[in-house]
Amino acid sequence: NAGVTQTPKFQVLKTGQSMTLQCAQDMNHNSMYWYRQDPGMGLRLIYYSASEGTTDKGEVPNGYNVSRLNKREFSLRLESAAPSQTSVYFCASLLGGTDTQYFGPGTRLTVL
Amino acid sequence: AQSVTQLGSHVSVSEGALVLLRCNYSSSVPPYLFWYVQYPNQGLQLLLKYTTGATLVKGINGFEAEFKKSETSFHLTKPSAHMSDAAEYFCAVRRGSGTYKYIFGTGTRLKVLA
Repeated sequence: NAGVTQTPKFQVLKTGQSMTLQCAQDMNHNSMYWYRQDPGMGLRLIYYSASEGTTDKGEVPNGYNVSRLNKREFSLRLESAAPSQTSVYFCASLLGGTDTQYFGPGTRLTVL
Repeated sequence: AQSVTQLGSHVSVSEGALVLLRCNYSSSVPPYLFWYVQYPNQGLQLLLKYTTGATLVKGINGFEAEFKKSETSFHLTKPSAHMSDAAEYFCAVRRGSGTYKYIFGTGTRLKVLA
């Protein structure tokens, strides 16, 4: 049982480049999340998916798109990366009714 | 609207001393409250949660928190700090009863001194 996995672990992009962050969970959870973590800001929700086929904006969705490919996978896409998107990105999943989120190990992204 | 405020971005305690990390919340509905821990270069892990019932909640690694409605607080405590407790701690609140979205505090980094 791997839990929540994220790829890649590290990434450096140039301004304007695009990339997709991958997330997968093997716990049969319904809900999945993408957060970004910045110093002094805590975690902020980018996008949320309550179930396969549904997505919802969080607090900071601008500049990002998501895709809930199936129950296991939830990807985050940066179409045109900006230095303000330099951050650590965490994916999480949750089994409905439990209020317990399980987090992946994170992706550290630097945009030059 | 729901929110949480963590007082103190950095807290230092001596090994064996009491750990007290402060969290105050604002909520228009009965709150669902959480403490998460993040060890260096790792994701977050749930320490404990308050949803309903007993106001004193016990979690993993000897931590506990007490929900105090009159003070709108949910402070995290541990009687005796251990070196392995050094980490960042986040308080969180669920946005509302009809959603599984959460708001996180800005975090408190705990340093344990030998």
